[in-house]
Amino acid sequence: DGGITQSPKYLFRKEGQNVTLSCEQNLNHDAMYWYRQDPGQGLRLIYYSQIVNDFQKGDIAEGYSVSREKKESFPLTVTSAQKNPTAFYLCAISGTGNTIYFGEGSWLTVV
Amino acid sequence: EDQVTQSPEALRLQEGESSSLNCSYTVSGLRGLFWYRQDPGKGPEFLFTLYSAGEEKEKERLKATLTKKESFLHITAPKPEDSATYLCAVQGPDDYKLSFGAGTTVTVRA
Repeated sequence: DGGITQSPKYLFRKEGQNVTLSCEQNLNHDAMYWYRQDPGQGLRLIYYSQIVNDFQKGDIAEGYSVSREKKESFPLTVTSAQKNPTAFYLCAISGTGNTIYFGEGSWLTVV
Repeated sequence: EDQVTQSPEALRLQEGESSSLNCSYTVSGLRGLFWYRQDPGKGPEFLFTLYSAGEEKEKERLKATLTKKESFLHITAPKPEDSATYLCAVQGPDDYKLSFGAGTTVTVRA
């Protein structure tokens, strides 16, 4: 969906380093999500937020943190506690009829 | 726990050779079943939502159908540009959450 912007597209993390992935939306939707995608596996929910200043853990929240200080922004921090962070990360928003629309994704690689 | 299983994992078709993809699911109280298309290195693109058994939806060469236990995505007379990974997901009573299958990768040869 053109109203969801993820950055950077590619990111490299050194061992022990925290990195933050950005997700911005200009669609004025309340609900935002972060998913992780690994080869050969389905998308898995990391965190979601339904309103500003509130968020909940998904299925694989360990080693990740988020904030929701503004309606349009939902950044994801991959902390050093995440032991296997190499993956494709997808930000999403919930639109009409609870349909979830995705951004273009960010690739994170540990070097 | 919601479960979604897609088959086959991969499908190779000749241009014009119609076929179907399967999505089997278990969920306590289905709110909706979603189909997405994903191109390599891109985010999933929404295709359809199905809400109740017997419902069908069409878009160009794609047609999605739903029963109480599974959904099918029929590809009629596919073209090379239909090559992609097709993802199925279900939404249960907790309407914030989608549970995804692993996807079916479709390759259409000219």
